[in-house]
Amino acid sequence: NAGVTQTPKFQVLKTGQSMTLQCAQDMNHNSMYWYRQDPGMGLRLIYYSASEGTTDKGEVPNGYNVSRLNKREFSLRLESAAPSQTSVYFCASSERPQGGTQNIQYFGAGTRLSVL
Amino acid sequence: GEDVEQSLFLSVREGDSSVINCTYTDSSSTYLYWYKQEPGAGLQLLTYIFSNMDMKQDQRLTVLLNKKDKHLSLRIADTQTGDSAIYFCADSGGATNKLIFGTGTLLAVQP
Repeated sequence: NAGVTQTPKFQVLKTGQSMTLQCAQDMNHNSMYWYRQDPGMGLRLIYYSASEGTTDKGEVPNGYNVSRLNKREFSLRLESAAPSQTSVYFCASSERPQGGTQNIQYFGAGTRLSVL
Repeated sequence: GEDVEQSLFLSVREGDSSVINCTYTDSSSTYLYWYKQEPGAGLQLLTYIFSNMDMKQDQRLTVLLNKKDKHLSLRIADTQTGDSAIYFCADSGGATNKLIFGTGTLLAVQP
């Protein structure tokens, strides 16, 4: 019962470096999401993928790119990391029934990223 | 745009009831959710309520929804030290695929 798995758990980068955060879910969910969590700001949506083959911008997409590699996997890429991207990143997935409005999201344990 | 607001901090004594409040702006919300985040972990769904309900009870948890005032609350009865965590309220609009999260309320339970 892995659920949503994120790798790595921790990462330290220098300004300008690039990296990809990986996320995989084994619940056969259609939708997947990337959030960042910063103190006092809650969770903010970076990008989401409503279904395999589609991606859309969320509230804070600048500086990030995503790939929905297949139904299971949704990766987040930082092309040129900046100190403002120091944060905790969470991946989530949801069933999102066809035509339904319920959207229970299941979260991974997070990736703690520091950009120096 | 849509907004969800919560107070940042609540402190209670073990055994007391805790009430965490949330206000939202989206009048088309169909489901509202409460998530719990323990230290160093991801978010876990605690409970949710459909917008045509006023109240939902699940063991020690009671959710109250005042749709007119766009106010949601989570009551935890007999609060335990294990309930210490950040609690997030989230709003799901009618046709959107997104959840809008509040800032989270840190619940500190004093022994």
